[in-house]
Amino acid sequence: AQKITQTQPGMFVQEKEAVTLDCTYDTSDPSYGLFWYKQPSSGEMIFLIYQGSYDQQNATEGRYSLNFQKARKSANLVISASQLGDSAMYFCAMRGGTNDYKLSFGAGTTVTVRA
Amino acid sequence: DGGITQSPKYLFRKEGQNVTLSCEQNLNHDAMYWYRQDPGQGLRLIYYSQIVNDFQKGDIAEGYSVSREKKESFPLTVTSAQKNPTAFYLCASSIYGGRARNEQFFGPGTRLTVL
Repeated sequence: AQKITQTQPGMFVQEKEAVTLDCTYDTSDPSYGLFWYKQPSSGEMIFLIYQGSYDQQNATEGRYSLNFQKARKSANLVISASQLGDSAMYFCAMRGGTNDYKLSFGAGTTVTVRA
Repeated sequence: DGGITQSPKYLFRKEGQNVTLSCEQNLNHDAMYWYRQDPGQGLRLIYYSQIVNDFQKGDIAEGYSVSREKKESFPLTVTSAQKNPTAFYLCASSIYGGRARNEQFFGPGTRLTVL
C-alpha cells in the first residue's frame, strides 16, 4: 500500500521569503511519480510540479522546486520568494507503478503568507 | 478553452435522497476520477475510469455509483446508502498510461450538504 505523510498542518511565512513543505512517502514500487498540488480557498486543485522516481535531477517549475531525496523517501516542496497569492493548502500526492494512474494524497499543509 | 466542468457548485440534499453530480471534460482524456474531500483533510478516491464503459472502485466506493457512457462524461451518484455524504467532491481527468507525468486536471468541485 502507498502512503503519503505531510506532518506540518499549518505554516506561516513572510512575504518574499522561501518556505519548505515536507512530504514523505512509502511505496514498494520502483517506478512512481510524486506530485504537488495547490488548493486555494476556491477549492480547485492546481498542479504545481512533478518528480518521477527515475528522474536524475530535482524538478523545478518557476518559483517551485522539489527537493527529492529518494533514499530518505522524501519529496519536499520549496516555494521561493513567497507572494500573498501563495496562501493556500498544499497537497503532496503519489502515483505508484507504471500502469497505476491513481493518486494517493497526503493530509495537506496550509500556508499563510504574511505581508 | 479546454477544461473540466462540474455542476452544480452547491447541492443540498435531504436524507434518503439520491443525488447525481455532473462532471464533463473536453480535454480528450481517457481517464477520469472522483474524489471526496472532508474539511481539513486530503482527497480520497471514490471511483475511477480508464475507458468508456469501464470503471473501478477506489478506496471509499460504498454508497456511491458511477457510469461512463461517454468519454467526456463521468457522473457520480451519491445514494441514500452513503451514511455521511456531506463533503466537497472533486472530479479529475488525465491521459492514461506510461511513466510520463500525466498529471490529473481537476474541476472546480461540488459542495454537497445533507440537510
